[in-house]
Amino acid sequence: QSVLTQPASVSGSPGQSITISCTGTSSDVGAYNYVSWYQQHPGKAPKLMIYDVNNRPSGVSNRFSGSKSGTTASLTISGLQAEDEADYYCNSYSSSTSYVFGTGTRVTVL
Amino acid sequence: QVQLQESGPGLVKPSETLSLTCSVSGGSISNYYWSWLRQPPGKGLEWIGYIYYSGSTNYNPSLKSRVTISVDTSKNQFSLKLNSVTAADTAVYYCARGAGWYDPWGQGTLVTVSS
Repeated sequence: QSVLTQPASVSGSPGQSITISCTGTSSDVGAYNYVSWYQQHPGKAPKLMIYDVNNRPSGVSNRFSGSKSGTTASLTISGLQAEDEADYYCNSYSSSTSYVFGTGTRVTVL
Repeated sequence: QVQLQESGPGLVKPSETLSLTCSVSGGSISNYYWSWLRQPPGKGLEWIGYIYYSGSTNYNPSLKSRVTISVDTSKNQFSLKLNSVTAADTAVYYCARGAGWYDPWGQGTLVTVSS
C-alpha cells in the first residue's frame, strides 16, 4: 500500500518555526485538496490539527497552518512550544486507495 | 461534545475474527460518516474503512476482502469485523467521526493476535 512520505524527524528551539513536508503523487496530494494533519502524543489518540489543506478546527492554535504546492503538502508550526513535541501525520484522499496516511514525523523541541 | 469509546476483546487467536464496537455519546450517529483506523505498535496510522449512518461503506482495498463495518443507529454504535486475522493485524484500533478527516477519535484499544 502506498504511503505519503514525511521526514522522520524535525527539530527546533522554542519560539522558532518549523515545517513538516508530506510528499505524495498526482493521484493523491497533487489531485485533491483533501489533506489533513494529526498530532499524536505518546500513548494518546491522534488529534486533528488541519483539514482540507489549510483549515483549522475550532480550538486549534493559530500557530499551526497548512499549505500545498503540487504533490507536496506542508504543516508549519510557528512559535514552537514544548507542548508541540509529538508525532505528526498527514493524510490525503487517493484515487487508488481512498485514504492514505504519511509515514509520520517526530517533532522535537530542543 | 461527542465522545467515542471502543470496546471488544484485547486478544484474538490467529485465523479467527476480530470484533470491535464503537459507542458514540454526546451526539447522534445520524448524518455523519464514521471510520475505523489502526496503528501497529511503534508504527504509523492506517485507514481501515468508513460507514455512513445510512449504511453505505467504503473499505481500504488492502483489507477489503476481510473487513465488514456495520452501524446500529438505535444503539448509537458502529462496529468492525476483521476476519482471518494474523499477527500483522496486531494494533491499536481507533474509531473516529468522519471520512477524509477524522475528529474526534476514541482513545483506542489494543488488539493482540496470538495463540
